[in-house]
Amino acid sequence: DADVTQTPRNRITKTGKRIMLECSQTKGHDRMYWYRQDPGLGLRLIYYSFDVKDINKGEISDGYSVSRQAQAKFSLSLESAIPNQTALYFCATSDSLRQGSNQPQHFGDGTRLSIL
Amino acid sequence: ELKVEQNPLFLSMQEGKNYTIYCNYSTTSDRLYWYRQDPGKSLESLFVLLSNGAVKQEGRLMASLDTKARLSTLHITAAVHDLSATYFCAVDLSSGTASKLTFGTGTRLQVTL
Repeated sequence: DADVTQTPRNRITKTGKRIMLECSQTKGHDRMYWYRQDPGLGLRLIYYSFDVKDINKGEISDGYSVSRQAQAKFSLSLESAIPNQTALYFCATSDSLRQGSNQPQHFGDGTRLSIL
Repeated sequence: ELKVEQNPLFLSMQEGKNYTIYCNYSTTSDRLYWYRQDPGKSLESLFVLLSNGAVKQEGRLMASLDTKARLSTLHITAAVHDLSATYFCAVDLSSGTASKLTFGTGTRLQVTL
């Protein structure tokens, strides 16, 4: 089983619909992140959470919201989807609690979202 | 605002050849990560570079970091087809574990037979 699981893997929806992308992890990491990937633009940070009570905006948070329901779960919502939110979305985790840790972020397999 | 630039954006090279991918960034940082992404797949961590002069090697890939020049390189030695992928560098301005990463645009590497 994957350590960082994203659902759904693919989604096609219409403009104006509310969409929720979910991420769950079994790694026991405290930090979780949402990114979007567009061709030629690399990955851009949408939101991040350093623990259940800590939510922070990233570079491109407009039009998105998040919820950290538990340490292992971090969901991303598009309240009213628009076509330019069509992208590949990644969830990632990292561990700040291991002493001396300088670990990289670990990524899920991505959700391909198309908004018509 | 931190900017991270990679070049080249696309690289086609023959098997057996050597080449270097460059990652330049605009703000002082001593924490840089390299990732690999296969088409339609997730990102896989390759290297974590944590200080000036850091050098890491794994197989045919070697990464280095020069924090004074704000430059990291990913050197490919005697390329093989299996190295075909997109490579991203990512810079972290925070201390401690990987936090807010700013990614480069990626270098798509195609190794031809």
